[in-house]
Amino acid sequence: EAGVAQSPRYKIIEKRQSVAFWCNPISGHATLYWYQQILGQGPKLLIQFQNNGVVDDSQLPKDRFSAERLKGVDSTLKIQPAKLEDSAVYLCASSLELGLDYEQYFGPGTRLTVT
Amino acid sequence: DAKTTQPNSMESNEEEPVHLPCNHSTISGTDYIHWYRQLPSQGPEYVIHGLTSNVNNRMASLAIAEDRKSSTLILHRATLRDAAVYYCILRDPSYDKVIFGPGTSLSVIP
Repeated sequence: EAGVAQSPRYKIIEKRQSVAFWCNPISGHATLYWYQQILGQGPKLLIQFQNNGVVDDSQLPKDRFSAERLKGVDSTLKIQPAKLEDSAVYLCASSLELGLDYEQYFGPGTRLTVT
Repeated sequence: DAKTTQPNSMESNEEEPVHLPCNHSTISGTDYIHWYRQLPSQGPEYVIHGLTSNVNNRMASLAIAEDRKSSTLILHRATLRDAAVYYCILRDPSYDKVIFGPGTSLSVIP
């Protein structure tokens, strides 16, 4: 079974530039998550989708971050404009459905450095 | 959200058992205890979860205190590949969100 795919794996940009990350979840998984992981901390949930609808985006900085999952499969997370404090690893995860019985499967992440 | 407390770091010798503690004194009656781990340069991966009874799977065992205010993840024979950050997480069934703390960084000494 193929895992969660993310690209790019690494990205370096200057502050005020824009960047986009792509995620392809495990086939058939209805729920998709984006997390931000700052060095030395645990991952923090940014947004959660169920199919193509948003379930929770309470921790997404909506003035600069946006995410979409138009066809209920792939997802894109965008930052515009980037700030220095956005330097982090951005993790995508998917699960078969919502709920505690369904474990989350994580991708390898995209390491973003903002200079 | 109920919080968990874990030691920042632990060390273990290879091929010895490892007991990773987690305190969750404010756990509610419906919170499940989940453990994930994160190997270097990888995303987290699910390890095990439980509610009240002790649980075993191919990766680890989870021992839950009778009052549910603490739990212990047990790796029966640590290998070098078990070196990772281990996260103890409480999940409320009515609130499908995984909230990670800083976790415990486990080092395995050959």
